[in-house]
Amino acid sequence: GAGVSQTPSNKVTEKGKYVELRCDPISGHTALYWYRQSLGQGPEFLIYFQGTGAADDSGLPNDRFFAVRPEGSVSTLKIQRTERGDSAVYLCASSLRGNEQFFGPGTRLTVL
Amino acid sequence: DQQVKQNSPSLSVQEGRISILNCDYTNSMFDYFLWYKKYPAEGPTFLISISSIKDKNEDGRFTVFLNKSAKHLSLHIVPSQPGDSAVYFCAASALGGGADGLTFGKGTHLIIQP
Repeated sequence: GAGVSQTPSNKVTEKGKYVELRCDPISGHTALYWYRQSLGQGPEFLIYFQGTGAADDSGLPNDRFFAVRPEGSVSTLKIQRTERGDSAVYLCASSLRGNEQFFGPGTRLTVL
Repeated sequence: DQQVKQNSPSLSVQEGRISILNCDYTNSMFDYFLWYKKYPAEGPTFLISISSIKDKNEDGRFTVFLNKSAKHLSLHIVPSQPGDSAVYFCAASALGGGADGLTFGKGTHLIIQP
């Protein structure tokens, strides 16, 4: 089953710590997206990559958030100096032709 | 400011009847719309989409209607089945074909009663 995978599935950290969330897209998908879903809300767009470059990072809330995709496949979302308000489910999606985004199961981040 | 609005947090429908989920949008730049279905602890799953050049798209039990002048779309599920119980998200794209980051509504929790 070659769907989008995300690791870890759950991450608990303390306020002020640094975290990395990983996304493995569907093989061959050139576009990769990160979203954040808070309780009771829909997914909120953060950033998307076309190949290795960030095509649109307008959704990143501030400079504590950063994402990379160095080889055009796996992507890592990095959050520095985590705050309690960063607690959410972080969703990754990938797409081949841009008309349908396939989502992974998400990483639930809890900042204590 | 919510650009995609789903004003019904939940909807209960009897099995076999029609389920109608509604979505309104405010951004006139949106030209492609999608519906996603989400079960607990899983990522959203694509259901059906529609381009702004159409007013209807049908796929099996699922039909999406788009009224551009009213900036309104709806998802019809008929007949409704127990497995349809899930949260449904309406999403919109402004880059044609959904290639950009999508803007989602808050979702509607559909409950199919046996």
